[in-house]
Amino acid sequence: QKEVEQDPGPLSVPEGAIVSLNCTYSNSAFQYFMWYRQYSRKGPELLMYTYSSGNKEDGRFTAQVDKSSKYISLFIRDSQPSDSATYLCAMWSSNDYKLSFGAGTTVTVRA
Amino acid sequence: KAGVTQTPRYLIKTRGQQVTLSCSPISGHRSVSWYQQTPGQGLQFLFEYFSETQRNKGNFPGRFSGRQFSNSRSEMNVSTLELGDSALYLCASSLDGQRNQPQHFGDGTRLSIL
Repeated sequence: QKEVEQDPGPLSVPEGAIVSLNCTYSNSAFQYFMWYRQYSRKGPELLMYTYSSGNKEDGRFTAQVDKSSKYISLFIRDSQPSDSATYLCAMWSSNDYKLSFGAGTTVTVRA
Repeated sequence: KAGVTQTPRYLIKTRGQQVTLSCSPISGHRSVSWYQQTPGQGLQFLFEYFSETQRNKGNFPGRFSGRQFSNSRSEMNVSTLELGDSALYLCASSLDGQRNQPQHFGDGTRLSIL
């Protein structure tokens, strides 16, 4: 079993819809949680970074962390065609200096 | 502020050759990490360097090696290339690699093995 499991997708939604992306994890040592966005032929771009359980909002993006359930989510409100990309969840453990990534979810927002 | 710069962007090699990839971190960042990204395995951690010292290493064979210079620039070397080494190799930098500091990625080097 992988340390980080991400809903595989792909997702296709109409413009203006809410996109919901989810990851679960098994390693209790994970303490910091990130969401990256990756466009084709580009590197991952940091979207959200959070430590504590609860919600963190940044514009149209909301990151949700539930440490008791080992579950994180990213919500994209009022989705735009420019949001079409692959979204990766990533986590730091308290024990080492590396990120563990989910497999990624490809999202297409239809105009 | 310039981002993470990786060179070259694309490389084509044949089996058995070796290759060196380069990464210049964001100015002031001293931690550099390398990742391999493939469609089947996703993003996998290779190694992390800080102050010219390797602090952590992923589960890759010894053919994969790296180093970091005093200016924090880093290189990654892969020897005796295999077809399975075809991938996007990503470099990420952070201030000092501590867990409360996010990593920022370059656009990668796409390596194709023929």
